[in-house]
Amino acid sequence: DIVMTQTPLSSPVTLGQPASISCRSSQSLVHSDGNTYLSWLQQRPGQPPRLLIYKISNRFSGVPDRFSGSGAGTDFTLKISRVEAEDVGVYYCMQATQFPPTFGQGTKVEIK
Amino acid sequence: QVQLVQSGAEVKKPGASVKVSCKASGYTFTSYGISWVRQAPGQGLEWMGWISAYNGNTNYAQKLQGRVTMTTDTSTSTAYMELRSLRSDDTAVYYCARVPARYNWNEVDYWGQGTLVTVSS
Repeated sequence: DIVMTQTPLSSPVTLGQPASISCRSSQSLVHSDGNTYLSWLQQRPGQPPRLLIYKISNRFSGVPDRFSGSGAGTDFTLKISRVEAEDVGVYYCMQATQFPPTFGQGTKVEIK
Repeated sequence: QVQLVQSGAEVKKPGASVKVSCKASGYTFTSYGISWVRQAPGQGLEWMGWISAYNGNTNYAQKLQGRVTMTTDTSTSTAYMELRSLRSDDTAVYYCARVPARYNWNEVDYWGQGTLVTVSS
């Protein structure tokens, strides 16, 4: 199985300041169809996961533009340009290029 | 709007079975798939498997092969996940999530609210 490694595991951030989460995969996530199936999910406390970003950099419906994704191959990044109180939660990267889909360990974003 | 509404919490004894439902609305059920993901208390996410609501094709995580069955009822736009021979380490919140494709499992978008399954003697 592909191992997804996120850093940091915890990210205390000041409101209005940027935050960045890194995700590295143990193998390239480029699919034979040319797509890279790397997604970012947000899980607020007590809530189900919510899709933020799909295929590296595409924001899902309703996701604020302060969230952005980038990367290629095995290295990916989620950035929050200005953290708001509602952004508190755990963020997961997920690969679905190779069977079975796997998730990173999660990064907890909290307010300083 | 797309909604996935799951069945309520369950408490089961070791060795029993559980069947969780996921009722979809707001889209054409048979044009998509459903993946199931679980989350043990305080832990991360674990993908369990996928079913195409178009043709019933399934793919299961190897560690659950033989214990899990995913089905759909297209007449009610409902997906089901049955897990048998329950163990204490199956205690988790079980989520369904829509897969925005008919034939493959490579993405998920909308998620259900989750169903807590507790396995305890």
